Amino acid sequence: RKEVEQDPGPFNVPEGATVAFNCTYSNSASQSFFWYRQDCRKEPKLLMSVYSSGNEDGRFTAQLNRASQYISLLIRDSKLSDSATYLCVVNRGSSNTGKLIFGQGTTLQVKP
Amino acid sequence: ETGVTQTPRHLVMGMTNKKSLKCEQHLGHNAMYWYKQSAKKPLELMFVYNFKEQTENNSVPSRFSPECPNSSHLFLHLHTLQPEDSALYLCASSQEWGDFDEQYFGPGTRLTVT
Repeated sequence: RKEVEQDPGPFNVPEGATVAFNCTYSNSASQSFFWYRQDCRKEPKLLMSVYSSGNEDGRFTAQLNRASQYISLLIRDSKLSDSATYLCVVNRGSSNTGKLIFGQGTTLQVKP
Repeated sequence: ETGVTQTPRHLVMGMTNKKSLKCEQHLGHNAMYWYKQSAKKPLELMFVYNFKEQTENNSVPSRFSPECPNSSHLFLHLHTLQPEDSALYLCASSQEWGDFDEQYFGPGTRLTVT
């Protein structure tokens, strides 16, 4: 089983749609969670950290379910500029060493 | 825009060459990282440095040799690489060396080994 699993997609949605991505992780000791965005042939950029209580940043909402070991990202009112690959990132265990594990990413394509 | 810069942005090298990748962060961070991103694969952590000290070598072959002279600079020395080493090499930094410290990436060096 992969340490971090994501549906690679692609998710093709029209502008204005709401889309949700899920990610599962295998290590129950993981403590920190992030979503990164990566545009084609560019570096990953931090989108948001994911907190236990869930958090929202504008059109983006992240949720954490520790019992089921999954993280979700919800994007409301999709824009063309949201087209990118979204990377789910989880720390490796509870050792607090900055070792992050990246998922393969979910590709989103927003169409006019 | 980015506080983490990498040079060169593109590199083509033969298997017998020696080259170095450079990373510099202008964010005042104390931890720096090297990652490898191959086509269709997730990012893989290679090395972690905290206050210039290497804290992680993620089973990376010895043909990759990192160097961290200070908290702002990180190098990756390359020698006798293989074609399968062709990938995007990304440098990142974070404030501290911890799981909750958000990591910021440079633009990467796209390496092709011929």
